[in-house]
Amino acid sequence: DVKVTQSSRYLVKRTGEKVFLECVQDMDHENMFWYRQDPGLGLRLIYFSYDVKMKEKGDIPEGYSVSREKKERFSLILESASTNQTSMYLCASSAGAGYGYTFGSGTRLTVV
Amino acid sequence: EDQVTQSPEALRLQEGESSSLNCSYTVSGLRGLFWYRQDPGKGPEFLFTLYSAGEEKEKERLKATLTKKESFLHITAPKPEDSATYLCAVQALGSNYKLTFGKGTLLTVNP
Repeated sequence: DVKVTQSSRYLVKRTGEKVFLECVQDMDHENMFWYRQDPGLGLRLIYFSYDVKMKEKGDIPEGYSVSREKKERFSLILESASTNQTSMYLCASSAGAGYGYTFGSGTRLTVV
Repeated sequence: EDQVTQSPEALRLQEGESSSLNCSYTVSGLRGLFWYRQDPGKGPEFLFTLYSAGEEKEKERLKATLTKKESFLHITAPKPEDSATYLCAVQALGSNYKLTFGKGTLLTVNP
């Protein structure tokens, strides 16, 4: 069964901490994505990557960075966590143009 | 800019009461339209991809259709286990594989 695995289901972090969210896929997909999902705002794209070491900003990249050192792993980094980054974070991967995403189960991050 | 609008925001049905969810979209050129189901606290689960106007896809009690401006997700004789948020997304030609999502329709099916 193909999978996108996010390392944590729930995280609680303090304001100002550096936070790493990890995502691993086992489908050999080129493309990986990070979204955040908030009530009333839907899913918003933070960053995506279409190849190892390649990354592009999405619609809301401010306060975030990403790392893709290996094809199967895509990490989202909150450089200095703030309370407005409390959200559900979803990682996804895709085989390419015309294909949908396979999502992970999400990480519910609370910043206090 | 690509836009996706889903309606209604929330829908309550009785078990067995058929209905439809709407997804209206604006995109420069459509590569594909996707439907997902999302249960509370979980990631979205893929349902269908539609590529061209007139196309239809079916899965159990769900049927998705596509026109040049909108897509419908028809739910026939729903059961309580169909309760979920249904998300629609579009992928535009030349979009670098990005999906633009609507805000979803929360479907509740009462027994």
